[in-house]
Amino acid sequence: KNQVEQSPQSLIILEGKNCTLQCNYTVSPFSNLRWYKQDTGRGPVSLTIMTFSENTKSNGRYTATLDADTKQSSLHITASQLSDSASYICVVKGNTPLVFGKGTRLSVIA
Amino acid sequence: GAVVSQHPSRVICKSGTSVKIECRSLDFQATTMFWYRQFPKKSLMLMATSNEGSKATYEQGVEKDKFLINHASLTLSTLTVTSAHPEDSSFYICSASLTSDTQYFGPGTRLTVL
Repeated sequence: KNQVEQSPQSLIILEGKNCTLQCNYTVSPFSNLRWYKQDTGRGPVSLTIMTFSENTKSNGRYTATLDADTKQSSLHITASQLSDSASYICVVKGNTPLVFGKGTRLSVIA
Repeated sequence: GAVVSQHPSRVICKSGTSVKIECRSLDFQATTMFWYRQFPKKSLMLMATSNEGSKATYEQGVEKDKFLINHASLTLSTLTVTSAHPEDSSFYICSASLTSDTQYFGPGTRLTVL
């Protein structure tokens, strides 16, 4: 069964600190993996997309990694800001409709 | 970048009425649009896939007579929630596909049925 599991479910960090979110998937065959940021009451916004051959991709303070062998991905946020508070969703595409993780709810506090 | 809009952003209606939600791709033509539903603190759940000029493909458990989808043009898809009830209250999000590997999401529509 195609699944995407994210951890932790929620996370609270102090402003300025770094954090890493995890995503494990069982989707096969694999096409690409995206990390999205979803603010409360808004649609998801793409942060990064990685294909099978890519190990890491950065977008400003966001850095995603992908290990296609172990089917794991991580999203590292550097020097967090209050505006980073949101849900971060890992989405994997195979040859079926997108498979969504349940997201990690990140709260950045002052 | 590709922009997808939804209208309205939020709507409150009485039980038994029908509500139409529009999804538009503003700067590209989308042959495929997708409709999702999201409950609080839950992930997006695909409801249906809509291809321009053809009938939508509904996911298992989604009532096609309840959630009417029309994809009349390459830039517009509509979702009509018919005879809405309080349990239909949710966050509805559309996405538009530019390529087979890319979906761009709209900002969502918050539906509240009283």
